[in-house]
Amino acid sequence: EAGVAQSPRYKIIEKRQSVAFWCNPISGHATLYWYQQILGQGPKLLIQFQNNGVVDDSQLPKDRFSAERLKGVDSTLKIQPAKLEDSAVYLCASSSRVPGLAFFGQGTRLTVV
Amino acid sequence: GIQVEQSPPDLILQEGANSTLRCNFSDSVNNLQWFHQNPWGQLINLFYIPSGTKQNGRLSATTVATERYSLLYISSSQTTDSGVYFCAVVGGGTSYGKLTFGQGTILTVHP
Repeated sequence: EAGVAQSPRYKIIEKRQSVAFWCNPISGHATLYWYQQILGQGPKLLIQFQNNGVVDDSQLPKDRFSAERLKGVDSTLKIQPAKLEDSAVYLCASSSRVPGLAFFGQGTRLTVV
Repeated sequence: GIQVEQSPPDLILQEGANSTLRCNFSDSVNNLQWFHQNPWGQLINLFYIPSGTKQNGRLSATTVATERYSLLYISSSQTTDSGVYFCAVVGGGTSYGKLTFGQGTILTVHP
């Protein structure tokens, strides 16, 4: 069974630029999560999808972050414009049911300079 | 929302030693997972254990849901066990499975 795929693995951008991350969950998993992990901290949930719909985006900075999940499968997370404090690892995870076992991708390490 | 606290924050061991990591949570849970974050940043599933005890090789975990804690045991530690260990829970009051993480325990195993 293929795992959660994320790309790119690494990204370096200047502040005020835009960036997008992509996630392909495990086939058949209805729940998709995006987490932000700042160095030295535990992951923090940014947004959770159930199929196409958003069930939790309470900690998503909506003035600069956006996310979508097309056709209930792949998802993209965008930051525009980026700030220095957005430097972090962005993790995507999926689960077949809730509450259920969540599987994580390898993450995208973003550095904003 | 539910609070998750892990202890100790840092742990340094010699190879072959045993260790116990603790996760306390502030409310009832529907899900509890232990993860190991490897040096490349990926979160690797260790246990899905909302209650009871499970074992997998040198690792075992116990969750006492009524007392709101979980323990991860590592026996005969190896240098490859080094990394950050996270506990993550889904609070019993949530209906949509939001995983809330603790701050992690950084484990360093010296040869």
